[in-house]
Amino acid sequence: EVQLVESGGDLVQPGGSLRLACVASGFTFSDHYMDWVRQAPGKGLEWVGRIRKKANGYTTEYAASVKGRFTISRDDSKNSLYLQMSSLKTEDTAVYYCARSTEFTLGGGIFRNYMDVWGKGTTVTVSS
Amino acid sequence: DIQLTQSPPFLSAFVGDRVTITCRASQGISTFLTWYQQKPGKAPKVLMYAASTLQSGVPSRFSGDGSGTEFTLTISSLQPEDFATYYCQQLNSYPYTFGQGTKLEIK
Repeated sequence: EVQLVESGGDLVQPGGSLRLACVASGFTFSDHYMDWVRQAPGKGLEWVGRIRKKANGYTTEYAASVKGRFTISRDDSKNSLYLQMSSLKTEDTAVYYCARSTEFTLGGGIFRNYMDVWGKGTTVTVSS
Repeated sequence: DIQLTQSPPFLSAFVGDRVTITCRASQGISTFLTWYQQKPGKAPKVLMYAASTLQSGVPSRFSGDGSGTEFTLTISSLQPEDFATYYCQQLNSYPYTFGQGTKLEIK
């Protein structure tokens, strides 16, 4: 069964740090881009960032709201994805989902990766 | 950043109804659009990618259309399990953005 399981969510004070983890099973983790998406209480979905696979240099992309504070990394030997969060703000309070991304092509060499498998999420609360 | 505007934000319908949700992009995004369904307390579930390609396992009563700046998600005959919140997401350029959601409720 294809599965993603997040962990590491906690209550943390503003200005603090936290590391989330996501363990994958049931598929070849190293073949996929991976994303983090969050959802504040009662709000919509917000894309946080992405890490590409080894063949694409493990490069990353981030939302402006977290750039410079959050770092995405992965360990393919452990089938694991990480989100290191620092300088946390109250507005970072959310459920954090990891998602597998799978490539599709529209032809002409143009491709994208869409988020096809999601974990159940882990809750981060930033409050004093 | 590309803005996605969904309409309507709320929709009330009967079981068996045909409903359409619209997603408009602030600039052209080709067909790099994904649709998700989310139920309370659950993770989003992908319904459609590349604007009109049905994700494996998703019932055929769901369909997607559009390109450029205007997209639609249609449910041909609403079932009780379809009452949820629906989101569109663009994959044309970073940062990837989501629409604000459309909450579909039972009338």
